[in-house]
Amino acid sequence: QKEVEQDPGPLSVPEGAIVSLNCTYSNSAFQYFMWYRQYSRKGPELLMYTYSSGNKEDGRFTAQVDKSSKYISLFIRDSQPSDSATYLCAMETDSWGKLQFGAGTQVVVTP
Amino acid sequence: DADVTQTPRNRITKTGKRIMLECSQTKGHDRMYWYRQDPGLGLRLIYYSFDVKDINKGEISDGYSVSRQAQAKFSLSLESAIPNQTALYFCATSDAKEGLSYEQFFGPGTRLTVL
Repeated sequence: QKEVEQDPGPLSVPEGAIVSLNCTYSNSAFQYFMWYRQYSRKGPELLMYTYSSGNKEDGRFTAQVDKSSKYISLFIRDSQPSDSATYLCAMETDSWGKLQFGAGTQVVVTP
Repeated sequence: DADVTQTPRNRITKTGKRIMLECSQTKGHDRMYWYRQDPGLGLRLIYYSFDVKDINKGEISDGYSVSRQAQAKFSLSLESAIPNQTALYFCATSDAKEGLSYEQFFGPGTRLTVL
């Protein structure tokens, strides 16, 4: 069983809808939680970062971490076609940079 | 110019050949990483280096080797390529300052096909 599970999708939504993405994990030692966005034929780039539990908001993006359930979420409000990408969750136990990635969820926002 | 560059961008090779993938960065970061990406499996860490003299195996290092020639250069070698090493390979860097290594900066990737 992988330490980080993520549904690969694809997830197709109409423009303006809320996109809901999530990951589950098994290692209770994870403390740092990230969401990376990867456009087609590009490398991933950091989108959101959360330490420990709680919520974090950045514009149209909200990241949530529920350590008691070992579950993290990313919400995209008012989705745009430019949000079409693969979203990868990532996490680590310390800040050494040894990230564990989920498989990535492909999101398609249709005009 | 891109901060993290990878060469080549695409490579097709045959089983048994030796292949080297190169990564260069201008971000001044000490930490560098090599990942492979496969459909349905996400990114998996092959090797990582926290400075020029420090190289460590990642989750899937068998069949791979690396060389850190300088702070800015980190190469990945496949000594004898096999078809299941067909994948998208990414190099990444991060700042060594405490608490900042979660933000990794990725290159554009190398698509490797082993026939």
